This record gives sequence, structure tokens and C-alpha cells, in this order.
Amino acid sequence: DAGITQSPRHKVTETGTPVTLRCHQTENHRYMYWYRQDPGHGLRLIHYSYGVKDTDKGEVSDGYSVSRSKTEDFLLTLESATSSQTSVYFCAISDQDAGYEQYFGPGTRLTVT
Amino acid sequence: TQLLEQSPQFLSIQEGENLTVYCNSSSVFSSLQWYRQEPGEGPVLLVTVVTGGEVKKLKRLTFQFGDARKDSSLHITAAQPGDTGLYLCAGDVNNAGNMLTFGGGTRLMVKP
Repeated sequence: DAGITQSPRHKVTETGTPVTLRCHQTENHRYMYWYRQDPGHGLRLIHYSYGVKDTDKGEVSDGYSVSRSKTEDFLLTLESATSSQTSVYFCAISDQDAGYEQYFGPGTRLTVT
Repeated sequence: TQLLEQSPQFLSIQEGENLTVYCNSSSVFSSLQWYRQEPGEGPVLLVTVVTGGEVKKLKRLTFQFGDARKDSSLHITAAQPGDTGLYLCAGDVNNAGNMLTFGGGTRLMVKP
């Protein structure tokens, strides 16, 4: 299995509070992604990174920000959590040398009350 | 409206039956991937198809990429309870390999 961890695995927070989710990889892959998964929607891309300090928006980026200060870490921040951001969040990695196949972390279940 | 439409959304069958899951789009993809996801885990890649008309087999699973590279199918022969899970297709959205768009998924339950 690819070395991808996510923390925390579960979190319950209140509306309006900031939340940061962490993705850590040990594969030295160039690309990192944050997705959210909701019933009936499959996986939707929030933000992605194509290198240290290089990030871009995905399909559903409103209300989210990201940072990548090291190759191995990709942080997703909800500046002010809303109930619509209750979801399961997955981090993924890929690299050209690995055929761009995406490897996923175990997910973080976030509940905003 | 999703770029990739999967059907059916839900499928419940008995062990030993055959089934086919479809992934359709009006867009052309340079490649398409199929993933399986089990409860509480992240998706795991099953196969990547890159050539129009390509057929790949993975034990009892057969994957086909449409000739026009707009659609794909997954056929499972003699389904087993271990095949239960969420099946997701994903297309290479920018033809550069590093960006995927996912279908909504097909949730399969195989009853013993």
C-alpha cells in the first residue's frame, strides 16, 4: 500500500470554527489532491498541488484553502466550517513515474454541527 | 450534471449472478480508470484503460473502453460477496494524466 496517512480520521466541530485536515505521504509523489465524497456525487476535487507551494482550485473549492510547504504534507483548511462541509475527505497522490495512478488515503470523516 | 454518469447507482444481486456496470460521458478521455471502494476505506485502483476498444481482464472482472473513448463498462462474472463495494469510474479530464473526474459510483451488494 502507498504510504498515505490522514489526520484526524474523525472530527466533529461546530459551525463557524476553523478546521485543518492533514495529509502525509512517504512516496515522494509530485501531485497531491483533496477530494470530498458525498452520497450520489462520487468524489469531487477540492484543490490539488503539483509541487511545493504550487496549488490550484478544483471543482468545489469555495470555502476551502490549502497549503503545501513540504513535498510530503498537504493541508486542507476550512476557514469557517459550515454544515454543508460535513463530508468524508480523501487525500490522494500521484506521480508521472507511477503512471499517474492515484493512490488514496483512508479518509477523514468530518461532521459540522 | 456530472461529466461521467454511472449506471446503475445501486445493484443488489445473488452470489453467482453476472452483472455489468456502465460509465458514460459525452466527452472523450485519453484514459479511464476503475476503482473499488470498501466501507471506511479509500478507493483502490483496479484498472486503467487507454486505447479505444481495449478490453482488460482482472480475474472475474472484465473492463472495456468504448471505441470512441467516451464510455466504459465493467462486467463481473459469477459475482461473489467479496465483490461488494462501491465501484467508481474516473476519466483523465485534461489528457495530461494528473487530473481525474469521477462518476457518481455504483454501489454493489452481492448476497450469499
